Amino acid sequence: GDSVTQMEGPVTLSEEAFLTINCTYTATGYPSLFWYVQYPGEGLQLLLKATKADDKGSNKGFEATYRKETTSFHLEKGSVQVSDSAVYFCALRHTGNQFYFGTGTSLTVIP
Amino acid sequence: NAGVTQTPKFQVLKTGQSMTLQCAQDMNHNSMYWYRQDPGMGLRLIYYSASEGTTDKGEVPNGYNVSRLNKREFSLRLESAAPSQTSVYFCASSERTGVAYEQYFGPGTRLTVT
Repeated sequence: GDSVTQMEGPVTLSEEAFLTINCTYTATGYPSLFWYVQYPGEGLQLLLKATKADDKGSNKGFEATYRKETTSFHLEKGSVQVSDSAVYFCALRHTGNQFYFGTGTSLTVIP
Repeated sequence: NAGVTQTPKFQVLKTGQSMTLQCAQDMNHNSMYWYRQDPGMGLRLIYYSASEGTTDKGEVPNGYNVSRLNKREFSLRLESAAPSQTSVYFCASSERTGVAYEQYFGPGTRLTVT
């Protein structure tokens, strides 16, 4: 069945460091891929998405490229800020109405 | 535009008590979902409703029931709460945007069962 595997955390970075959070998926065909962000005490918010191979989703300095050949959708940001501290979830949606989420990666950015 | 709203925000129950978590969305979405979030487990789907009048089980439906009251509202009921149901519960709704489906989440209900 469909599934998402993402890099375990927690991840701690200094401000202005480069961020990569790995995400790989298992699904047949071409699922839509998403990154969600959850700030403390809040629900999940859509950060970015990609719907087909080689698509690049981007938002707020974050980017992720849909790689069909490696079944990956890694999240990157060139220079993280303290305000980026949150939990990040990779997710996919394929046929049917269900979304599948990874277990989440906690990011802490220290000044 | 309120998006997805959930009530209550916090709840403490004793084992065996029952309660209903309420969810409403004002985005005219067809699909609605209930998830639970536990440390190290990510989000797990309890039930979902693809459209008004339909509901389907997700990954962890045992101990829960749902009602899709109308297009806006989707409630989750715990008939006899157990400590294993201590969790944060999120409601979400979804609709097609362009070629992709996007999911919108409520703020969550933090439930403790003692």
